[in-house]
Amino acid sequence: DVKVTQSSRYLVKRTGEKVFLECVQDMDHENMFWYRQDPGLGLRLIYFSYDVKMKEKGDIPEGYSVSREKKERFSLILESASTNQTSMYLCASSFSRTSGAYNEQFFGPGTRLTVL
Amino acid sequence: GQQLNQSPQSMFIQEGEDVSMNCTSSSIFNTWLWYKQEPGEGPVLLIALYKAGELTSNGRLTAQFGITRKDSFLNISASIPSDVGIYFCAGPLSGNTGKLIFGQGTTLQVKP
Repeated sequence: DVKVTQSSRYLVKRTGEKVFLECVQDMDHENMFWYRQDPGLGLRLIYFSYDVKMKEKGDIPEGYSVSREKKERFSLILESASTNQTSMYLCASSFSRTSGAYNEQFFGPGTRLTVL
Repeated sequence: GQQLNQSPQSMFIQEGEDVSMNCTSSSIFNTWLWYKQEPGEGPVLLIALYKAGELTSNGRLTAQFGITRKDSFLNISASIPSDVGIYFCAGPLSGNTGKLIFGQGTTLQVKP
């Protein structure tokens, strides 16, 4: 079974703090994704990465950056947290070159971030 | 751009009833995915469909890839309280990027 883990289930931070959200997958997946989920807005893609050190902006990258130094780990960084970044953050991964299931994304349990 | 319309938006049913939901796309898909998200958790992949007309089951869940390739259906038979959650359909964005487009979700509540 694919396992995607996220460093925290709940996080409370103050406005202006730098926040790191970590995601690790254990299935040798090439692609990794960061989403945020808000009521009424669905899942929105923040950034994704299709290879180590490669990243592409998603639909809402403003206020976020990412890092992928190792294949299994994808970090989301909030450079200066703001209250409008209070949300559920979901990491996902997909595509192992040995399995060939290119589009099947597997999600972590999510991090509920509150910015005060 | 590509859009996915999922319906119904919510359902409140009695335990034991069957459930049907569907998803329609403005463009042709070569893959349909169905996810379930329980409160406070991440989405879990239930069923993946790869061929038009394909019918795939996972326990009491059955999903179909529409023949037009622009729609998909998910049925749950004999619902139980643990079926509660949000069900999302998803399909790949054009361009083979690995990115998905998601439906808005169907919220299912089951009354014991």
